[in-house]
Amino acid sequence: GENVEQHPSTLSVQEGDSAVIKCTYSDSASNYFPWYKQELGKRPQLIIDIRSNVGEKKDQRIAVTLNKTAKHFSLHITETQPEDSAVYFCAASIRQFYFGTGTSLTVIP
Amino acid sequence: GAVVSQHPSWVICKSGTSVKIECRSLDFQATTMFWYRQFPKQSLMLMATSNEGSKATYEQGVEKDKFLINHASLTLSTLTVTSAHPEDSSFYICSAMDRGRANYGYTFGSGTRLTVV
Repeated sequence: GENVEQHPSTLSVQEGDSAVIKCTYSDSASNYFPWYKQELGKRPQLIIDIRSNVGEKKDQRIAVTLNKTAKHFSLHITETQPEDSAVYFCAASIRQFYFGTGTSLTVIP
Repeated sequence: GAVVSQHPSWVICKSGTSVKIECRSLDFQATTMFWYRQFPKQSLMLMATSNEGSKATYEQGVEKDKFLINHASLTLSTLTVTSAHPEDSSFYICSAMDRGRANYGYTFGSGTRLTVV
């Protein structure tokens, strides 16, 4: 099956700075790459996604980039705010999702 | 928008008993649902893919006789943890695939925290 690696596992940034989380995947057939934000004890919430026919997608302060050749994709959060603090998961999917190991982001006020 | 209801949200059971968790798609038909398990501070691990009207497909290392999945209708999938043990304590979460959405949207249930004592 698919193997998704995610780095870093923890990330602390000052409020207003940018945060970048990177993921790699192994199955070149994966064609859908969502990013989820999960707060403690709650369900993951989709924050942005990208399909394999697109190289970059942006939604306000959040952007995702995809390099199909290298099989890696990244989440970029600009102008971070304390409420961005959560665990972020990437996933790679053909049909079912395979999740990365998660990044615990802390935004320091 | 697509809504997935999962019940119960938490359950405590005695070791050796069985627990059933329900996952319902409320406003769409879900021919496929997925079951995940998440241990504290870890990622979501796919356990099985539940297909309406057919047997579930289990991921490697997941005991199909212990984690029984039934997907008898287009809106309901159930996961039964049989003969539960303390090591089965975890956060179980389902997701449903809405084929009616252009991007094959997946919606997650709210999760079930299982504690086996």
